[in-house]
Amino acid sequence: AQSVTQLDSQVPVFEEAPVELRCNYSSSVSVYLFWYVQYPNQGLQLLLKYLSGSTLVESINGFEAEFNKSQTSFHLRKPSVHISDTAEYFCAVIGTGGGNKLTFGTGTQLKVEL
Amino acid sequence: NAGVTQTPKFQVLKTGQSMTLQCAQDMNHEYMSWYRQDPGMGLRLIHYSVGAGITDQGEVPNGYNVSRSTTEDFPLRLLSAAPSQTSVYFCASSRTGTGFYGYTFGSGTRLTVV
Repeated sequence: AQSVTQLDSQVPVFEEAPVELRCNYSSSVSVYLFWYVQYPNQGLQLLLKYLSGSTLVESINGFEAEFNKSQTSFHLRKPSVHISDTAEYFCAVIGTGGGNKLTFGTGTQLKVEL
Repeated sequence: NAGVTQTPKFQVLKTGQSMTLQCAQDMNHEYMSWYRQDPGMGLRLIHYSVGAGITDQGEVPNGYNVSRSTTEDFPLRLLSAAPSQTSVYFCASSRTGTGFYGYTFGSGTRLTVV
């Protein structure tokens, strides 16, 4: 079984400032890792994913996340946030051995202020 | 448009009433699941299905029933609604075989039990 910890429930940040949303996971097997974003009153959308290969993965809107196996982390970063990035962000994990049960963290609310 | 369709979007129930939340997908995904989202608790798995005729319990199954008679549909039934079931419910689907395809989410059903 896997588990995900998102220590920060809320992260306020000013527009154009950098941000990091932290995600740590626990698993006895190899994992795939995901970040989902939920804009107000909407469903979840896949932001980016780590499957294999390069440990640094990027999204089309400037977010990136780095898989760190030794620290069991998959932190999400953006060098300069925009008001439109205000949303809730969920980290999720699944074992690579098959099955489809994705385990989610409790979410981090990113609030970008002017 | 291809995707996961959930109905209704909003529902208010009285304690003790029953209802069915509908979920349909047109992507021929074998795996379907129901999550509930509550503040500070992230998404918790209620029930899931790996194919027509096969269902299983997730993390919080009590008070909910599911069935999977077709690949496309995965309804969630509340037998006797309770205020503790006030939540936002999301249906998600994915291909099976490996875990790295990620989920496609519906837009959610916001349920209030009074």
